[in-house]
Amino acid sequence: AQSVTQLGSHVSVSEGALVLLRCNYSSSVPPYLFWYVQYPNQGLQLLLKYTSAATLVKGINGFEAEFKKSETSFHLTKPSAHMSDAAEYFCAVSTTSGTYKYIFGTGTRLKVLA
Amino acid sequence: DAGVTQSPTHLIKTRGQQVTLRCSPISGHKSVSWYQQVLGQGPQFIFQYYEKEERGRGNFPDRFSARQFPNYSSELNVNALLLGDSALYLCASSVGQAAKNIQYFGAGTRLSVL
Repeated sequence: AQSVTQLGSHVSVSEGALVLLRCNYSSSVPPYLFWYVQYPNQGLQLLLKYTSAATLVKGINGFEAEFKKSETSFHLTKPSAHMSDAAEYFCAVSTTSGTYKYIFGTGTRLKVLA
Repeated sequence: DAGVTQSPTHLIKTRGQQVTLRCSPISGHKSVSWYQQVLGQGPQFIFQYYEKEERGRGNFPDRFSARQFPNYSSELNVNALLLGDSALYLCASSVGQAAKNIQYFGAGTRLSVL
C-alpha cells in the first residue's frame, strides 16, 4: 500500500529565503507524485507532478521538486519565498497498482514573514 | 472554460439526516473523484468514477455512495450523518482514470453536521 508523510505541519520562512517542504512516500510500485497548494477557502491547485520522466520537476510559481528513489523523497523547493506563497501544501501519491487510489499527506502550512 | 463546480457551497444538517452533494467536471473530463477534508488534515480519497463506473474506493463506510451521470457530472450521497462527517468535501475531475492524470479540484462543499 502506498502512503505519504509530510514532515513539519508548519514551516515559517522569511521573504526571500529558501522554501523547503518535505515529502516522503512509500509505494511497492513506481509511484506518481504530486504537489498541490491550497489557499484559504479554495480547492487544491496542482504545482507540479512526477510521472517517471525527469527526476527534477519544475512547476508553477517558481517551485520545483526532485524525485529521489533511494531516499523515497519528493521534497518541494523554491529559491526565494514571496508573501503570496503563504498557503497549505499537500504532497500526494497515486499508483496503478490494484484499483485507483490517490493518497494525500497531512499538509504543511507555509508562513512567509516580512 | 468553467472549472470544476460544486454545489452547494455550504450545508448544515443534523445527525441522522441524509445529504447529496453535486459536482460538474471540466468539459471533456470523464473522471470524477470525491475527497473528504477534515479541518487541519489532508484530503481523504472517497471514490473515483470513470465512464459512470466506480473505479476506486477509499476506506469509508457504506453510508457513503456516489454515482456518475451520462454527462459525467456526479453526486455524492451520505446517509445517517454523524458529527464526524463534518468536513469540506472536494470534487476533482480529470481527463481519464489513469493514476498519472492531473486532478482539477473544485472549491468544495463545506458540510456541518449538528
